[in-house]
Amino acid sequence: GAGVSQSPRYKVAKRGQDVALRCDPISGHVSLFWYQQALGQGPEFLTYFQNEAQLDKSGLPSDRFFAERPEGSVSTLKIQRTQQEDSAVYLCASSLLGERAHSPLHFGNGTRLTVT
Amino acid sequence: AQKVTQAQTEISVVEKEDVTLDCVYETRDTTYYLFWYKQPPSGELVFLIRRNSFDEQNEISGRYSWNFQKSTSSFNFTITASQVVDSAVYFCALSEAEETSGSRLTFGEGTQLTVNP
Repeated sequence: GAGVSQSPRYKVAKRGQDVALRCDPISGHVSLFWYQQALGQGPEFLTYFQNEAQLDKSGLPSDRFFAERPEGSVSTLKIQRTQQEDSAVYLCASSLLGERAHSPLHFGNGTRLTVT
Repeated sequence: AQKVTQAQTEISVVEKEDVTLDCVYETRDTTYYLFWYKQPPSGELVFLIRRNSFDEQNEISGRYSWNFQKSTSSFNFTITASQVVDSAVYFCALSEAEETSGSRLTFGEGTQLTVNP
């Protein structure tokens, strides 16, 4: 399809395990965002890429969280040594234009992470 | 720091009723952008509208309309003649022009709208 694709759709991890969440943005989109959405809450910003450059990672909650977009397209969000408080839906979004364009974001369906 | 408040956690209406979702925001920037997104049960946020801070003209799109009032820092969303398919969580969001991370959005807590047949 032509939308933002995220995988896996659901992930269950035991506390302490590492997980990797994948995002395939819309082809040609310059900007890519990761958001974290806890149950019953609005999404919260984690990090932002413009092409392959990670311009802002101020929203990452700890150094256990790491994101990359090495070729400026697919992005991976990695969480090391998962904790129960990491349980949330992780949303990826992309937009055609770069920073300061404030263009509408196209969101994926998210990955629901449950840490047991 | 910016903040978006959606005071209505849940709203329940009967089909064909009109419903207004409230959004109040805080920002120190003079240039900013306001958005509404819809999140159906599938989870994907769907863009509905974007307005910039210099355009206070109200907008209508089919059954949807938006009322932007800078004087009260509000950007309310009205659905006329609601339908069951309108049932979803609706988020209001803000991005500031001076923000370094592109179009980084600050979301409200969301309003769960249920339209009953």
